[in-house]
Amino acid sequence: KAGVTQTPRYLIKTRGQQVTLSCSPISGHRSVSWYQQTPGQGLQFLFEYFSETQRNKGNFPGRFSGRQFSNSRSEMNVSTLELGDSALYLCASADGRNTEAFFGQGTRLTVV
Amino acid sequence: QQQVKQSPQSLIVQKGGISIINCAYENTAFDYFPWYQQFPGKGPALLIAIRPDVSEKKEGRFTISFNKSAKQFSLHIMDSQPGDSATYFCAASQGGGSNYKLTFGKGTLLTVNP
Repeated sequence: KAGVTQTPRYLIKTRGQQVTLSCSPISGHRSVSWYQQTPGQGLQFLFEYFSETQRNKGNFPGRFSGRQFSNSRSEMNVSTLELGDSALYLCASADGRNTEAFFGQGTRLTVV
Repeated sequence: QQQVKQSPQSLIVQKGGISIINCAYENTAFDYFPWYQQFPGKGPALLIAIRPDVSEKKEGRFTISFNKSAKQFSLHIMDSQPGDSATYFCAASQGGGSNYKLTFGKGTLLTVNP
C-alpha cells in the first residue's frame, strides 16, 4: 500500500504570494489532517478534513485554508505569504475507524 | 497554552543504554497517546501508542508507561542503538477514531553514541 504522498517536496515563494500544497492520503483513508512544523513552535495542528468536510481547525489565521476532494485528496492554500510561514507542512491520513494517523514526508516551504 | 509538555529537549545515551523521554498533559479529555519518531528530512512515523485504560504497553524495545492520576506518560527505549538517533515526539488527542487532531510535545532529540 502506498503511503501518504505530498507534493511538491520543496517550494520557494516570495512574500505576498500564495501557495497550494497537495496531499494524497493512503488508499481508503478518508481523514486528512495538516500540520505546520517549525523549530520554534514544533508541530501545530492546522485543520482536519473528513469526507470533504472540515471537522477541526487549529489556531491559524484565515490566510490558511484547505479543502478535500471526493477522492479524499486534500489541498491546503496559504495566501499573502509571510516570512514566518516558512516551515515544513505535513499531511497525515487516517481511516476513520482506527486512531492511528500516518504522516507524509512533508512539503518544505521557504518564503523569501 | 502548551497542553503537552515534553522533556528533556535533548538526550545523549550510550549504545545499549536505556533512553527515557517524559511527557505531561493537562487536558483530562485526552484519550489517545501516541509517540512518533522523526528522522531528518522525513515525516513523523508512528512508533507506539497507548490508551488510558492500560498502564503499560510494550512493543519490542519500546515501552510506554502511563500514569493517569499524574497525567504523565513516558517512552522507554531499551538497548538503545545508534539507528534510534532521531527526534521523538509525544502527542495526545481526544475523541478516539473520530478526531485526528493531535497535540504534540516539543520533541526530544535523541543521540545514541556507538
